[in-house]
Amino acid sequence: EAQVTQNPRYLITVTGKKLTVTCSQNMNHEYMSWYRQDPGLGLRQIYYSMNVEVTDKGDVPEGYKVSRKEKRNFPLILESPSPNQTSLYFCASTGGGHLQQYFGPGTRLTVT
Amino acid sequence: GENVEQHPSTLSVQEGDSAVIKCTYSDSASNYFPWYKQELGKRPQLIIDIRSNVGEKKDQRIAVTLNKTAKHFSLHITETQPEDSAVYFCAASKGAGGTSYGKLTFGQGTILTVHP
Repeated sequence: EAQVTQNPRYLITVTGKKLTVTCSQNMNHEYMSWYRQDPGLGLRQIYYSMNVEVTDKGDVPEGYKVSRKEKRNFPLILESPSPNQTSLYFCASTGGGHLQQYFGPGTRLTVT
Repeated sequence: GENVEQHPSTLSVQEGDSAVIKCTYSDSASNYFPWYKQELGKRPQLIIDIRSNVGEKKDQRIAVTLNKTAKHFSLHITETQPEDSAVYFCAASKGAGGTSYGKLTFGQGTILTVHP
């Protein structure tokens, strides 16, 4: 089954404690992306990756890092999380004949 | 950078009526315009998209129109049903070949409620 998976789905952490949210896709897609969703602000792109070792900033990259060492994985790293990074995070990959974007199930992060 | 404005923020219709959601974009180089539907507690899902070389696209009860000159595009849902109730997002991108590859900027979303 074609899918995008994220882990963990829920995470409560404290300010400054480094964390990683994993994202994996099994569709051999080249393009992957991370978004955060906040009420009233819609979805905002954090980072995207066109292929292995190729990443670029989206609209809100501050405070986040990504890496793309393998085609299937695109982890999101928060080196020093702060409360303003409390949000719902979605990973997505794009590909297939119609170049459709598939979203993962989301990770709800709370930073206290 | 690109800026996408979406209106209205909330839309309430009776079952069977039509619903229209409008988006404007700022970057004339944008060439790909997808629409996503997000049901409560679920992930966004692509429902229709349009590329800049096309003025209109239809898929059953859903249609999207694009006016490149005015830099706006709209989602039209006809014969609405209660299961159409969700949050709808528009987006714009100037990805290679008219795709979502690259930076994708979303509108703020429209909460559509269809009353039985």
